[in-house]
Amino acid sequence: NAGVMQNPRHLVRRRGQEARLRCSPMKGHSHVYWYRQLPEEGLKFMVYLQKENIIDESGMPKERFSAEFPKEGPSILRIQQVVRGDSAAYFCASSPESVQPQHFGDGTRLSIL
Amino acid sequence: GESVGLHLPTLSVQEGDNSIINCAYSNSASDYFIWYKQESGKGPQFIIDIRSNMDKRQGQRVTVLLNKTVKHLSLQIAATQPGDSAVYFCAEGNNFNKFYFGSGTKLNVKP
Repeated sequence: NAGVMQNPRHLVRRRGQEARLRCSPMKGHSHVYWYRQLPEEGLKFMVYLQKENIIDESGMPKERFSAEFPKEGPSILRIQQVVRGDSAAYFCASSPESVQPQHFGDGTRLSIL
Repeated sequence: GESVGLHLPTLSVQEGDNSIINCAYSNSASDYFIWYKQESGKGPQFIIDIRSNMDKRQGQRVTVLLNKTVKHLSLQIAATQPGDSAVYFCAEGNNFNKFYFGSGTKLNVKP
């Protein structure tokens, strides 16, 4: 039973480019969460999605960041016009229902040149 | 917003000893708590959870204690092994969807 799959594992972008991070939840999981982690810090909640719906995006920056979880395919976290401050590890988690332990992927490490 | 914090940023223990990692949370409405272990370059790995209607829960070599009166959570690891070396995070949830994570405690197990 495959776990949460994130790709790419490492992503390098220049300032002003777009970054697309993908997350395939565990089989049978319909709840997806995105978190951001800076070095030596905890994870910060960004957004919670169910299939085709954004449930809670209170942790998402108002500009340049968007997320989707389409009916088919992986969840996508999209960052437009990246800046150096976007450099971080972005983790995706999934769960079968809410109020369940979330299972995490191994993250995408985004570096902005 | 809610804040979850840890008392000790780094904990060094001798192999075979017991480890206790502490966590304070601020939101008395939180009703679900999870401990995660994160190894370098990996995502957080679920260790154990506890709901607010419990004070204690045991797993394999791990015990979580919840004191709602003082909003304190602890993780006890028995007979700590080198493979336990990692960063440990507590997380609290109260809206059934998002969790607030503490900044983590680094556990260093000395052989």
